[in-house]
Amino acid sequence: TAGITQAPTSQILAAGRSMTLRCTQDMRHNAMYWYRQDLGLGLRLIHYSNTAGTTGKGEVPDGYSVSRANTDDFPLTLASAVPSQTSVYFCASSSASGDYNEQFFGPGTRLTVL
Amino acid sequence: GQNIDQPTEMTATEGAIVQINCTYQTSGFNGLFWYQQHAGEAPTFLSYNVLDGLEEKGRFSSFLSRSKGYSYLLLKELQMKDSASYLCAVAGDDYKLSFGAGTTVTVRA
Repeated sequence: TAGITQAPTSQILAAGRSMTLRCTQDMRHNAMYWYRQDLGLGLRLIHYSNTAGTTGKGEVPDGYSVSRANTDDFPLTLASAVPSQTSVYFCASSSASGDYNEQFFGPGTRLTVL
Repeated sequence: GQNIDQPTEMTATEGAIVQINCTYQTSGFNGLFWYQQHAGEAPTFLSYNVLDGLEEKGRFSSFLSRSKGYSYLLLKELQMKDSASYLCAVAGDDYKLSFGAGTTVTVRA
């Protein structure tokens, strides 16, 4: 079982360009999440989806958008990248959005915006 | 808002014990998680506490005091492979996780 996969592994992007980070899980989890991780700040929630067809904003949603067309996929789009979006991005999933909800993390995407 | 504090770095000797403290002030409480993250890798789940007390799992134990907004992760019989960052995360009112900045533990021979 692959668990959660993310693509690409790393990317260098010119400022102003758009990009979609891909995330796919095969655990049939209802809830999915996108975090960014920056040195000294820990993981911060960007967007989440409690179930297919619904999305919500996390702590740092500006400049990012998401969609959840089906259970397995949860892409994150940067419409016009800026250097402050340089970070490591982790996708995660959990079986439920409430109660006990251990989250499983993907391997991450390292994004550099120049 | 959510405020979760943990020390930035700790160093310990192989075979020793290390205790990583985490204090939190959050909007509601629905459980506290500890994750381990090796450099360049994804976080992986270590423990979950929702009631006061100690949860033991092999060499790792986690303690929670809800009235004090306090938790600790205890690593016993330290091994070199335990060198990693340890993340404290609290599930708030909406069950979303808020993470501390992480504690980097270095195990020395």
